[in-house]
Amino acid sequence: DAGITQSPRHKVTETGTPVTLRCHQTENHRYMYWYRQDPGHGLRLIHYSYGVKDTDKGEVSDGYSVSRSKTEDFLLTLESATSSQTSVYFCAIRGDRGQDTEAFFGQGTRLTVV
Amino acid sequence: QKEVEQNSGPLSVPEGAIASLNCTYSDRGSQSFFWYRQYSGKSPELIMFIYSNGDKEDGRFTAQLNKASQYVSLLIRDSQPSDSATYLCAVKSGGSNYKLTFGKGTLLTVNP
Repeated sequence: DAGITQSPRHKVTETGTPVTLRCHQTENHRYMYWYRQDPGHGLRLIHYSYGVKDTDKGEVSDGYSVSRSKTEDFLLTLESATSSQTSVYFCAIRGDRGQDTEAFFGQGTRLTVV
Repeated sequence: QKEVEQNSGPLSVPEGAIASLNCTYSDRGSQSFFWYRQYSGKSPELIMFIYSNGDKEDGRFTAQLNKASQYVSLLIRDSQPSDSATYLCAVKSGGSNYKLTFGKGTLLTVNP
């Protein structure tokens, strides 16, 4: 299995509180991604990183920020959580071997905002 | 907005039949195409990738790519109940940032 760990695995938080999800990899892969998965919407890209301190927005980035100060860690922050951010969040990593390089996914974080 | 479209299903096939899953994409600059399988409550896992026009076979799975029609498909031969899952099509856009865009997935049920 690819060395990718998400924490926490489950979290319940209150509306308006800040939340940070962590993705940690031991593969030294260049690319890291945060997705959210909701029924009827599939996997939607929130933010992604193509190197340390190099990040870009995905299709559903509003309300989220990210940081990558080290190759191995990619943090997703919800500055002020809302109920619409209740979802399963997946981190993925991808190497730079070529166009066939697959993405490996973490176990997911189930976030509930009440 | 670059889009990846899949029929949401559910697609139901009998055991031993061929399951055909389809995906279309809007970005003509897309370079690579991936099929992931996701069991309920689990993470997506890669089944196959393809980046050249034509067919690519791996065991019971065949991926087909037609860039002119912006269409990619996955065929599962001799379908088994263990193949029951959601199948996600993913497309890597052109450029150097390796952005991956997923379709909404097709739920496949293989009936014994």
